[in-house]
Amino acid sequence: AQRVTQPEKLLSVFKGAPVELKCNYSYSGSPELFWYVQYSRQRLQLLLRHISRESIKGFTADLNKGETSFHLKKPFAQEEDSAMYYCVLGNTGRRALTFGSGTRLQVQP
Amino acid sequence: ETGVTQSPTHLIKTRGQQVTLRCSSQSGHNTVSWYQQALGQGPQFIFQYYREEENGRGNFPPRFSGLQFPNYSSELNVNALELDDSALYLCASSLRYDEKLFFGSGTQLSVL
Repeated sequence: AQRVTQPEKLLSVFKGAPVELKCNYSYSGSPELFWYVQYSRQRLQLLLRHISRESIKGFTADLNKGETSFHLKKPFAQEEDSAMYYCVLGNTGRRALTFGSGTRLQVQP
Repeated sequence: ETGVTQSPTHLIKTRGQQVTLRCSSQSGHNTVSWYQQALGQGPQFIFQYYREEENGRGNFPPRFSGLQFPNYSSELNVNALELDDSALYLCASSLRYDEKLFFGSGTQLSVL
């Protein structure tokens, strides 16, 4: 069965501090992983996907198949990064996405 | 280009009733997915429609059903409502079933 675990419900950091949002997954096939974000009063939206190996808004995430992890990192947090972040696992063909329970990131001034 | 729109935004029903939620896809998108988000949880996949056919279903009972119309808009129907059906229902459209999802703002359903 597919499962995504985000161990932290809330992560609070100060502006300029490094951020790491943890994500572990369980999947028997070849995983496709994403991070979705929801800013205050906005819709859920895609932040980045592992196959693109891109940096979006300074965030990066590396898929570690050995540790079954896909942690989201940013070296210097900004106040506008405050949001709810979901780690998401796609199945083969990506018809169904499995969401983690989310981590709320609070960046304090 | 219009985004994904859902109606109504809020709905209150009583146990045992039936409800229909509606979703208009983003222009040009032929795939619609529905998710249920309970309070404090991540969205959970209900089902997906691709070109008017069901293209995958999550672990939800048959009283959750859907439709996709030729203009690719969609409905989610829930029969015999239960208290645990109280949740935010999210609709998401995509260019294809394996493409990036664009979410609507959701319908908040309360079952009393």
